[in-house]
Amino acid sequence: GENVEQHPSTLSVQEGDSAVIKCTYSDSASNYFPWYKQELGKGPQLIIDIRSNVGEKKDQRIAVTLNKTAKHFSLHITETQPEDSAVYFCAASIPQAGTALIFGKGTTLSVSS
Amino acid sequence: GAVVSQHPSRVICKSGTSVKIECRSLDFQATTMFWYRQFPKQSLMLMATSNEGSKATYEQGVEKDKFLINHASLTLSTLTVTSAHPEDSSFYICSARPRGTPTYGYTFGSGTRLTVV
Repeated sequence: GENVEQHPSTLSVQEGDSAVIKCTYSDSASNYFPWYKQELGKGPQLIIDIRSNVGEKKDQRIAVTLNKTAKHFSLHITETQPEDSAVYFCAASIPQAGTALIFGKGTTLSVSS
Repeated sequence: GAVVSQHPSRVICKSGTSVKIECRSLDFQATTMFWYRQFPKQSLMLMATSNEGSKATYEQGVEKDKFLINHASLTLSTLTVTSAHPEDSSFYICSARPRGTPTYGYTFGSGTRLTVV
């Protein structure tokens, strides 16, 4: 089955700096790669996603890149703010009805002002 | 947008009792719902896939007799933790995808914090 690796596990940046989180996946059939932000005691919230027919997607300060050949995708957050501090998870799924998302282990991002 | 409601948000129960958690899709029908468990400072681990009108599919290592899943309608799936023990204390999260959508569009509930004392 699918296996998703995520790095780093913790990331500390100064306000205004950029943050990059990287993930790799094992199943070449995977075609959907979302990123979630989770705050303490809450369910994960989708922040951006990318599908396998696209190499890059951007939404204001957040961008995701996908390299299908290398089977890795990355989350880029620019101009970080203290409210970006949270746990971020990458995930992947294959194009088969009834299949679940498989998550990476998460990255705790701390943005200090 | 698609909304998934999960209840209760928090529950404390005594060891040996059973607890039921509900996951409802409020504005869409979901043929499939997914149940995850998350221990502190860890990732979401898939427990089972709940299929409307049929038996759930459990991941390796998850006891199907302990974690009973019922998906009797296209808008409701329930997870019952039977004979709960302190080691079952965790954050349980459900997820659903609107019926008929392709392989993206997963929506998550807000989670249930279970504490077994």
